[in-house]
Amino acid sequence: AQKVTQAQTEISVVEKEDVTLDCVYETRDTTYYLFWYKQPPSGELVFLIRRNSFDEQNEISGRYSWNFQKSTSSFNFTITASQVVDSAVYFCALSEAFGNEKLTFGTGTRLTIIP
Amino acid sequence: NAGVTQTPKFRVLKTGQSMTLLCAQDMNHEYMYWYRQDPGMGLRLIHYSVGEGTTAKGEVPDGYNVSRLKKQNFLLGLESAAPSQTSVYFCASSFVGYDYEQYFGPGTRLTVT
Repeated sequence: AQKVTQAQTEISVVEKEDVTLDCVYETRDTTYYLFWYKQPPSGELVFLIRRNSFDEQNEISGRYSWNFQKSTSSFNFTITASQVVDSAVYFCALSEAFGNEKLTFGTGTRLTIIP
Repeated sequence: NAGVTQTPKFRVLKTGQSMTLLCAQDMNHEYMYWYRQDPGMGLRLIHYSVGEGTTAKGEVPDGYNVSRLKKQNFLLGLESAAPSQTSVYFCASSFVGYDYEQYFGPGTRLTVT
């Protein structure tokens, strides 16, 4: 069965520090997608990125970067030079090719950026 | 494009009452989902639909029913509300395929007293 673990329940960092959010997943499929979503204090869920299981290239988007390593079943998310607007709950999620397009979410990491 | 909308945004029910949550999407998505979000538990799938007229159970379906009579709408019903159903409910939709991201509605905060 698929599973996503976000062991960090809460993280607080001072503004401008870098921070990494960990995501470890379990799946029996060889074909799957991994996602990150952001939930700001306003409550909506915002899609950030998806990565398929055949593409282990790291991705960078502005201050955000993602490190996908199949060898450790991890898909970690780093925010560089954090800002107060980055304060949110971040969810990692997994979708299997033969899982009826269902997303399995981790329990989320609440990130607080201290000004 | 309104995206995914949910009605109502807030609701308070008494134990035993019934209600229906409405989700609508204008992106022509085939797939629609209902999740509940509880503190420390992430989002858990209640029911989902892979097309008009079809529904299926997710991880936590007990106490809920759904219907997808029109492609753009997905209804979640609580026949006899219980305090354990106090939660934030999110609807989502997506294109066909495990590789597409899901688009989420703004959520409905439901309290059952």
